[in-house]
This record gives sequence, structure tokens and C-alpha cells, in this order.
Amino acid sequence: DIVMTQSPFSLAVSEGEMVTINCKSSQSPLSSGNQKNYLAWYQQKPGQSPKLLIYYASTRRSGVPDRFIGSGSGTDFTLTISDVQAEDLADYYCLQHYSYPYTFGAGTKLELK
Amino acid sequence: QVKLQQSGAELVKPGASVKLSCKTSGYTFSTSYMSWFKQIPGQSIEWIGMIYAGDGGTGYNQKFKGKATLTVDTSSSTAYMDLSSLTTEDSAVYFCAREVGDGYDYFDYWGQGVMVTVSS
Repeated sequence: DIVMTQSPFSLAVSEGEMVTINCKSSQSPLSSGNQKNYLAWYQQKPGQSPKLLIYYASTRRSGVPDRFIGSGSGTDFTLTISDVQAEDLADYYCLQHYSYPYTFGAGTKLELK
Repeated sequence: QVKLQQSGAELVKPGASVKLSCKTSGYTFSTSYMSWFKQIPGQSIEWIGMIYAGDGGTGYNQKFKGKATLTVDTSSSTAYMDLSSLTTEDSAVYFCAREVGDGYDYFDYWGQGVMVTVSS
């Protein structure tokens, strides 16, 4: 199984700050067929289902604010949230969908300082 | 618009089984892939398995083989997950989610989740 090591476990931030969440995969999720990294980022608020933010490591889903930026390659990936807003306080997960079983990172809780 | 509507919360006794449903609308269910997930409150998310509605073909996380069985009813655009021989360790929120594309892809729409509580 591909292990997704996500850090940090939690982050305390003030509105307007920039935060970075890291995700390291035990194997590269790069598809040789289309050269896309099969790595997605999700946001989950309490009592809600996960919401897709970023797919193929860096493609922002339509409607997601441009302060959410996905980057990375190889086995190291990053979700950056610039100018954090109160509505961004949530849990964030990375997901590899390159091989079965699909696996998630442990999650990062974004909290108010 | 795409919608995935899951059935309501379940309270079941240890050893029993439960069948969860995920009724879809707004897209062509019969040629799509659906996955199911488990999330114990306060913990991360686990992928249980997937089913291709076109032919009922499935793929499971080894951890959930024998525990979960995925089926579909294309006439009602509904996906189902049977959970058997339930124990307290199966108490969790279960989500269905549509997989984009032709498999091995990300999930763009999710059901609202259903809480399953296993208790005597």
C-alpha cells in the first residue's frame, strides 16, 4: 500500500496568514501514461463530507478560491493556503488515487490562533 | 446538478448486517465508478472499495474484503454497500463518492455520509 505521510497534524493560524501542508507518498503517484500525479487535496468541515480542492496535484477545482494552491512532484506534495480566511478552518487531507488501495494522509487540522 | 443522497443513520446490534444506499442523480450513473469510504469520528478516511456501474465490477481494499460488499441498481441509479458481521469497530461514518473518469481517478462529488453505530 502507498503510505501518505502528512504534516503537520495541526496548525494554529491567524486570518491573513499563509500556511503550508505537506504530504509525502511512499511511492510516486505519477502516471506514466499521462504524466499526471494522481494526488488530490480535500477540505472537510465538521459534520460534512470531504470537498475536493485540488486534483492532479496542482489543478484547482472550478469554484475553489485561488488562495488554495497545490504543488509538488515525485513523492513530495504541498497544499498552500495564502491569506487564510475564517471559512478555511477545517481538516485537510491528501489522497493518492494512483493505485489500490487508495490512501489518505492522516489529516491536518487548521485552527484559529 | 450532481447529487449523491445517502440513507439515514443506522443503529445495529453486534453480529448483524446493514445495507447502506447512495442514490444518485444529475449524471450518467450506468457508466460511472463509485467508491465507498469509512471515517471514524476524529480520524482520517479509509477507502473501502469501488464498483463500476457498467458491469458491476468491483475492487476492494484488502482490509475490507469479507466485510463490505458493493452492488448497484442501474435502474434506480443507486449504489449499495452491505456491511456484515458488524462489531463496534465498524461504528463510523460511511461516505459514497463519485469517481471522475474511467477509474484510478479522484472523487468530485460525495454523499453526505451516514453514521453507523454498532451497539447492543
